[in-house]
Amino acid sequence: EAQVTQNPRYLITVTGKKLTVTCSQNMNHEYMSWYRQDPGLGLRQIYYSMNVEVTDKGDVPEGYKVSRKEKRNFPLILESPSPNQTSLYFCASSLAGAYGYTFGSGTRLTVV
Amino acid sequence: AQSVTQLGSHVSVSEGALVLLRCNYSSSVPPYLFWYVQYPNQGLQLLLKYTTGATLVKGINGFEAEFKKSETSFHLTKPSAHMSDAAEYFCAVTSGSGGSNYKLTFGKGTLLTVNP
Repeated sequence: EAQVTQNPRYLITVTGKKLTVTCSQNMNHEYMSWYRQDPGLGLRQIYYSMNVEVTDKGDVPEGYKVSRKEKRNFPLILESPSPNQTSLYFCASSLAGAYGYTFGSGTRLTVV
Repeated sequence: AQSVTQLGSHVSVSEGALVLLRCNYSSSVPPYLFWYVQYPNQGLQLLLKYTTGATLVKGINGFEAEFKKSETSFHLTKPSAHMSDAAEYFCAVTSGSGGSNYKLTFGKGTLLTVNP
């Protein structure tokens, strides 16, 4: 089944403790992206990747890192999480812009 | 730069009534436009999209949308609402042909409530 898989689905952590949210797609898509969703703000892009080793900042990149060492994987790294990063995070992938993105099921992160 | 404005953060309709969710966009190049639906505790699912060609596009679950370039709009409609349509709907835009279309910009969403 074609899909984008994120892990974990739920995560509660403490301020300053490094964490990684994994994302993998099995559709051989070139484009991958991370979004965060907050009530009343919709979805905002954190980082995106056009291909292996090619990444760039989205609208809200502060406090996040990404890497794209393989085409299928695009992990999101929070080096020192803070409470304002409490949010619902989505990974997405796309073959090209005209196809739209396929989204993962989301990761609900709480930073206390 | 591109942006999306969804008019009405919350729309409430009766079952069987017309659903109309409004979306206006801004884009410096011809756009690709999308509507996504998010059911509670789930990810986003593509409802329909406009890229080129016919300006009236049909999607899943009986939804359709019309691209109106002169009005920079892409409103979502469904003739008859069903209880199962209750969800949050997001309009999104990316650059069309010749643009950088890896960046998908979303509106803030419209929560649709369907009353029995």
